[in-house]
Amino acid sequence: KAGVTQTPRYLIKTRGQQVTLSCSPISGHRSVSWYQQTPGQGLQFLFEYFSETQRNKGNFPGRFSGRQFSNSRSEMNVSTLELGDSALYLCASWTGQGASDTQYFGPGTRLTVL
Amino acid sequence: SQQGEEDPQALSIQEGENATMNCSYKTSINNLQWYRQNSGRGLVHLILIRSNEREKHSGRLRVTLDTSKKSSSLLITASRAADTASYFCATDRGGANNLFFGTGTRLTVIP
Repeated sequence: KAGVTQTPRYLIKTRGQQVTLSCSPISGHRSVSWYQQTPGQGLQFLFEYFSETQRNKGNFPGRFSGRQFSNSRSEMNVSTLELGDSALYLCASWTGQGASDTQYFGPGTRLTVL
Repeated sequence: SQQGEEDPQALSIQEGENATMNCSYKTSINNLQWYRQNSGRGLVHLILIRSNEREKHSGRLRVTLDTSKKSSSLLITASRAADTASYFCATDRGGANNLFFGTGTRLTVIP
């Protein structure tokens, strides 16, 4: 099985712009979660999508949003970028059903905001 | 917010030695997972241990879980230079569909 894929791998933007990141989960997985990793805050949960619906949300401002498509692929969008949004953005997938189980992560998208 | 903490924050050992990392967490859990992250890359899943398990093995990895102390340990035996990475524990806080991560241990294995 192919693993979780994320595109693009690297991105450079300037303050005020917006950005869209993409994640394709493992085949058969219906849950996709997004995480932000920074040196100061560590790994923090952004939101989770299951069957095209947001099921959980972390404590991030409304500038961070996401969606999931019928094929389980997910996108996250950050509007009005700030310098502090520079981070590694990781997505993870699992089946999404039953008891919580192993979550598999993609290679991440490194976002730099100038 | 972080679920817990790993200690030590950094660990440096010689190749062939064993490495032990600890993780403490704050809430009840259904399971706890350990991940490895090479510099700036994605997280690689190592092992999942459920709350009703006390110990689990996978190759050179041994994970223990003590739910009464809300702590877990990861032992890597006969370490190799390729084990150099950051190691994170993550919990589901008793059934959440997302993970809550610790602060990580940076392991350096010196050849």
